Amino acid sequence: SQKIEQNSEALNIQEGKTATLTCNYTNYSPAYLQWYRQDPGRGPVFLLLIRENEKEKRKERLKVTFDTTLKQSLFHITASQPADSATYLCALDGYGSGNTGKLIFGQGTTLQVKP
Amino acid sequence: DAGVIQSPRHEVTEMGQEVTLRCKPISGHNSLFWYRQTMMRGLELLIYFNNNVPIDDSGMPEDRFSAKMPNASFSTLKIQPSEPRDSAVYFCASSLTSGSGVDEQYFGPGTRLTVT
Repeated sequence: SQKIEQNSEALNIQEGKTATLTCNYTNYSPAYLQWYRQDPGRGPVFLLLIRENEKEKRKERLKVTFDTTLKQSLFHITASQPADSATYLCALDGYGSGNTGKLIFGQGTTLQVKP
Repeated sequence: DAGVIQSPRHEVTEMGQEVTLRCKPISGHNSLFWYRQTMMRGLELLIYFNNNVPIDDSGMPEDRFSAKMPNASFSTLKIQPSEPRDSAVYFCASSLTSGSGVDEQYFGPGTRLTVT
């Protein structure tokens, strides 16, 4: 079955540095991958989507890469700020989901940006 | 738009009782998803609907769980009877499924369920 792995250990970085989060997957070749942000006590919020034929996607200080050979996506936040502190979830289109929009989520990685 | 609305926000109930969680998706969205989130298992998809029709309920843990979507603006997730292991945060999400399958989901604030 599909397996999505995100680093379960929290990532602690200093303000101003670049944060890099990893999402690895196995047993599947997704058509696209999405990244969400979740703050404590709130639902996930969509950030970025990248398709299998795209190597890289950017949005302001965010950058996502998608390496279908390595079966890995990297999520970068440049010039990180304390307000970026949250849990970041990656999600892949569910195997066999067709075009229904079904997503399978990773466990998430918690980022803590220290001032 | 008010976003996805869920009620109640918190529910505390005793084992064996029936629990009903409610969701109002974003107007115009045609897909609705119910998730459960726990520390151990993360965010798990329970069931999803497209145009009010259940498409995949393979994530529903057992027969104690049921979900309905009587119209485009309302869905319920029912647990009967509830058990302590059902304690979790339940999220509802909606999206406008374009047919390409590449659609962001909008999540509600969640219902925190505690079964004692």
